[in-house]
Amino acid sequence: GQNIDQPTEMTATEGAIVQINCTYQTSGFNGLFWYQQHAGEAPTFLSYNVLDGLEEKGRFSSFLSRSKGYSYLLLKELQMKDSASYLCAVRDPNDYKLSFGAGTTVTVRA
Amino acid sequence: GAVVSQHPSWVICKSGTSVKIECRSLDFQATTMFWYRQFPKQSLMLMATSNEGSKATYEQGVEKDKFLINHASLTLSTLTVTSAHPEDSSFYICSAMHRDSRNEQFFGPGTRLTVL
Repeated sequence: GQNIDQPTEMTATEGAIVQINCTYQTSGFNGLFWYQQHAGEAPTFLSYNVLDGLEEKGRFSSFLSRSKGYSYLLLKELQMKDSASYLCAVRDPNDYKLSFGAGTTVTVRA
Repeated sequence: GAVVSQHPSWVICKSGTSVKIECRSLDFQATTMFWYRQFPKQSLMLMATSNEGSKATYEQGVEKDKFLINHASLTLSTLTVTSAHPEDSSFYICSAMHRDSRNEQFFGPGTRLTVL
């Protein structure tokens, strides 16, 4: 089975940094994805990690440790528009299906 | 590139009617598309995998006779919710897998279905 855990909610102040953790226990692994989803909209791609280490892309960075079954998404210099749900997803190596975590709702306050 | 569209973006229907949702990959060919359902404040749940030219494979607990999937071309998959009931009201999202882009899934904008 697939088990992907992430916190339900996080709140941070505009300009601050927030780290969203994701732990996974899956039958196979072919990469971990982070998506951003605003209410009523489809998910949009943020990052992809398949090897251990940190991937940096502007204000967003994502880290992966395959041996620990652990990833985090780091959001820097938070802006009000970053208020959204952030989804962690693990891809299956055999059929490329994505298994999603429940999502973390981030609220950015002024 | 890698744009996926869905039509309609929202639909309201009466209980007992059928609703068809289209998913199109606009600038690439997709032999595999996925259909997800998302209830309020919940994550995406995979319903089925749609393969061009063959039968869809459904996830456990998803009724294949209720959610009919047709993937007739490399750019179009359709999901038909047959005899819809209020409990089928949800946000339906499709994705198309792009083989030339590390098999990444590109998501459509979603279809909001409300069954009265």
